[in-house]
Amino acid sequence: DAKTTQPPSMDCAEGRAANLPCNHSTISGNEYVYWYRQIHSQGPQYIIHGLKNNETNEMASLIITEDRKSSTLILPHATLRDTAVYYCIVRVRNYGQNFVFGPGTRLSVLP
Amino acid sequence: DGGITQSPKYLFRKEGQNVTLSCEQNLNHDAMYWYRQDPGQGLRLIYYSQIVNDFQKGDIAEGYSVSREKKESFPLTVTSAQKNPTAFYLCASSTSGSYQETQYFGPGTRLLVL
Repeated sequence: DAKTTQPPSMDCAEGRAANLPCNHSTISGNEYVYWYRQIHSQGPQYIIHGLKNNETNEMASLIITEDRKSSTLILPHATLRDTAVYYCIVRVRNYGQNFVFGPGTRLSVLP
Repeated sequence: DGGITQSPKYLFRKEGQNVTLSCEQNLNHDAMYWYRQDPGQGLRLIYYSQIVNDFQKGDIAEGYSVSREKKESFPLTVTSAQKNPTAFYLCASSTSGSYQETQYFGPGTRLLVL
């Protein structure tokens, strides 16, 4: 699976959009981009995933660049409850394979 | 409600003692996983199982053992051979043969050595 690079930490004002970047320059054509988040002392929570088109769901939007070497997770209106560590993972969507979680980005939403 | 449960939330282990962490899911998922998380670190895979009565070692299986006798259950035993067991343990499961293969995680068990 391709390696990802994320900033170790970011701040965001409450009510503003949080834009979390992820670089995955070695991604291959059949690898998907997944985003999870982990609130302190809880299990990771699935947010969104995509292959090459931009995706949106009730939690967030995922913007993938045309060359697929980077992506951005967007939380449109961040709340204090969005404070968490956000993980960007790229992997082949094969059943039964584990997800490789790096250190992620610690997002702090400030009042 | 459908989901993954882990128990206990906190577990204390004495030196030389084996302890077992429980993981149960009612999502009808075929695959289940155990991860370990150390402070400030990402997750590392211990064991995974794609089907009942079958499991494979992950990246850090030494000192751990698992069983998969039922689809719903995937208990993890931390043996006395695991010299540094203090960590946060996470269980996950995923569907089989589904286009939307996504892993869902339980709330975790924090293991502390006395």
